[in-house]
Amino acid sequence: EAGVAQSPRYKIIEKRQSVAFWCNPISGHATLYWYQQILGQGPKLLIQFQNNGVVDDSQLPKDRFSAERLKGVDSTLKIQPAKLEDSAVYLCAAAGTSGGANNEQFFGPGTRLTVL
Amino acid sequence: RKEVEQDPGPFNVPEGATVAFNCTYSNSASQSFFWYRQDCRKEPKLLMSVYSSGNEDGRFTAQLNRASQYISLLIRDSKLSDSATYLCVVKDFQKLVFGTGTRLLVSP
Repeated sequence: EAGVAQSPRYKIIEKRQSVAFWCNPISGHATLYWYQQILGQGPKLLIQFQNNGVVDDSQLPKDRFSAERLKGVDSTLKIQPAKLEDSAVYLCAAAGTSGGANNEQFFGPGTRLTVL
Repeated sequence: RKEVEQDPGPFNVPEGATVAFNCTYSNSASQSFFWYRQDCRKEPKLLMSVYSSGNEDGRFTAQLNRASQYISLLIRDSKLSDSATYLCVVKDFQKLVFGTGTRLLVSP
């Protein structure tokens, strides 16, 4: 597979500032996920897209986090305003069809966010 | 109770040792089970799926006990390159739920 691209790789901001992350998944992979991984913990799902529709955003803090995937390909995740506890690695993953039982999720390298 | 629980470790073992990781999950309706490997400052990567009949991939053996809601990973003949964090992962509907991971350090 061509891999999942993410940018930026690192971002340092002050609390109350805004930040956006970008993800370009593997070509043809319809399902896209955003995860938050806090140091010492496993990744936690924030939002799942199937093409350009949201399948699950139950764990997305919607008062400050938003995500979109307008054309069913690239996706952006935004935090506005950021809090100290948002410091984490934000991982984007892609899967082949509906993310079914045997469809592996391929992760991008992540964006490491530090909020000061 | 966490959905997926693992001992965070670290497990410090010498090369050649056999090491076992355990994991329990809370949702009895969970459908699929996996072990992922995550190297320091890298993204998680699928190591292997876990089946009730047990499955083996080289030095790695995974087991699932649905009745006990328990998953295990056995690594035989540990190599230095096995040093990483091993994440127990459960699939609920279309969502992956990750444990906190167990850190393994293999020393010469």
